[in-house]
Amino acid sequence: DTGVSQDPRHKITKRGQNVTFRCDPISEHNRLYWYRQTLGQGPEFLTYFQNEAQLEKSRLLSDRFSAERPKGSFSTLEIQRTEQGDSAMYLCASSREGDTQYFGPGTRLTVL
Amino acid sequence: EDQVTQSPEALRLQEGESSSLNCSYTVSGLRGLFWYRQDPGKGPEFLFTLYSAGEEKEKERLKATLTKKESFLHITAPKPEDSATYLCAVQARDKIIFGKGTRLHILP
Repeated sequence: DTGVSQDPRHKITKRGQNVTFRCDPISEHNRLYWYRQTLGQGPEFLTYFQNEAQLEKSRLLSDRFSAERPKGSFSTLEIQRTEQGDSAMYLCASSREGDTQYFGPGTRLTVL
Repeated sequence: EDQVTQSPEALRLQEGESSSLNCSYTVSGLRGLFWYRQDPGKGPEFLFTLYSAGEEKEKERLKATLTKKESFLHITAPKPEDSATYLCAVQARDKIIFGKGTRLHILP
């Protein structure tokens, strides 16, 4: 059992640049979730997929954010024209439908 | 509005000093309540899922309980390695809503 993996673990970028993060879920899990966490707060839901279908998006997910899960396996989260307010830990989780979510180690984004 | 509130925000205990963390929630149609542990700079690590009032789960020095309005995470005789942030979350429909966590620090 390899668990949920995320890449990269850390990303430093300049304001205005685009960034892309990758998440590989636990292999038998059909659901994949993205969360954002800032210092002193709990994770906040961004979006989730069941297989390749994106079923829900939070109001937090502005039009600069896009997520894909093209073959129902790994997922990518892209942020275009990054802003300093995008600095946060981006967490990915996966689960079987309706079951407990297991989290990856996160990608820490710093926007300068 | 679905909401999760954890208290206290931070707790310092001496090694061996037992205590409880609180998670109160309001949610329409609770489908599960979760406890996670999070170490600095890492993702949340799953501890327990509780589904119905009266349910209890235990793991080593931790025990989680659930009522219709709140959950408690009891920690018995804690050790310094139990220091972490403990997150409570509730599942409402297809997403889970987290509280802000309790930062627990166990002094040797």
